[in-house]
Amino acid sequence: DIQMTQSPSPLSASVGDRVTITCQASQDISIYLNWYQHKPGKAPKLLIYDASNLETGVPSRFSGSGSGTHFTFTISSLQPEDIATYYCQQYNNLPLTFGGGTKVEIK
Amino acid sequence: EVQLVESGGGVVRPGGSRRLSCAASGFTFDDYGMSWVRQAPGKGLEWVSGINWNGGSTGYADSVKGRFTISRDNAKNSLYLQMNSLRADDTALYYCARGEMGGGMDVWGQGTTVTVSS
Repeated sequence: DIQMTQSPSPLSASVGDRVTITCQASQDISIYLNWYQHKPGKAPKLLIYDASNLETGVPSRFSGSGSGTHFTFTISSLQPEDIATYYCQQYNNLPLTFGGGTKVEIK
Repeated sequence: EVQLVESGGGVVRPGGSRRLSCAASGFTFDDYGMSWVRQAPGKGLEWVSGINWNGGSTGYADSVKGRFTISRDNAKNSLYLQMNSLRADDTALYYCARGEMGGGMDVWGQGTTVTVSS
């Protein structure tokens, strides 16, 4: 199985800060990576697909990049409503696997 | 409105069985593959199983292979997860999600909770 390793966790930042989360795959997954936002009591939400494509309706302050084994997820200016846990997920191979999650908190 | 609604959760004894259902509405169900994803208390997301649009291709996490079976009824716009030989570590909130095993999961239900306890 492909292991997905996220860092850091947790992440504490101030409103307006640029926030970056990294996701490392245990083997080459090309661009077959998604990013999700998960708030307590809510369903997870797809933000980024194919490593860098913004899902329709998602604010442009969210972005993703990378390929192969190293990926990054960025919030250009952290907003209070962005408080959540963020997960990367690979779909290059079955079983699909998620990273351990990065909990983003306001400092 | 595109919607997924899970049902069937509850308390089950270790070794027991449970069948989860997911009712889809607001989109053409048989155009999409579907998945089950779970979250154990205090843990992260774990993909459990997926199925393609016509049920001809399925996949499972190693942790549930041989115990869980995913299926779908396109005439009823419904997805199912038959869970057998349940263990305490199957205790989780189970989400139904729209998405092929080869892509992103773009619509999610609110989840149904399964608790395995004696």
